[in-house]
Amino acid sequence: AQKITQTQPGMFVQEKEAVTLDCTYDTSDPSYGLFWYKQPSSGEMIFLIYQGSYDQQNATEGRYSLNFQKARKSANLVISASQLGDSAMYFCAMREGRGNDYKLSFGAGTTVTVRA
Amino acid sequence: NAGVTQTPKFQVLKTGQSMTLQCAQDMNHEYMSWYRQDPGMGLRLIHYSVGAGITDQGEVPNGYNVSRSTTEDFPLRLLSAAPSQTSVYFCASTPPSPGTGLGHEQYFGPGTRLTVT
Repeated sequence: AQKITQTQPGMFVQEKEAVTLDCTYDTSDPSYGLFWYKQPSSGEMIFLIYQGSYDQQNATEGRYSLNFQKARKSANLVISASQLGDSAMYFCAMREGRGNDYKLSFGAGTTVTVRA
Repeated sequence: NAGVTQTPKFQVLKTGQSMTLQCAQDMNHEYMSWYRQDPGMGLRLIHYSVGAGITDQGEVPNGYNVSRSTTEDFPLRLLSAAPSQTSVYFCASTPPSPGTGLGHEQYFGPGTRLTVT
């Protein structure tokens, strides 16, 4: 079964507007972490934001915020005030468990294109 | 700090050839991993290592070998390349987490684009 589902293959957003990227996850582990990465056309993977399963508040990092709805098992990424440089592929990922196991399960990604 | 480095950046192999993708990190991270990225499928874990001398299989290990003789290096070997191994390969390393910390992100290398003909 797919652990991370990203249902939006591609999205267009107008510059300066906000965009929400959907991510749902599947785990029975009470302890897990959710990550979002950005992959621009140059190919590198850039870490954006993290949300822990026990975190009480939604994570925010600058223009990025994570809308964490634990009961619905969703961890949507919100990018506010989109910029042309935000055009990229975005991946949602999950780490389950504790200790030294840092294995990440990735979604298929969402391509975001920002229009001027 | 160079971070995570990978060589080569591009490689073309013929079916049946073998080769080693190199990965090194200078951050003294214990945990390292290899992923492959295919269109429409995100990244999938091939092999990982929690420290020197310790390796384990990920989701898609078939056709690949790894070893971890030092903390710094984690090479990925393709034993007999197949067209299905055409992909972009990423190496990553992660710093140790304090306590129950799950939040340490993985630092990714720039990737190796491999084509098998």
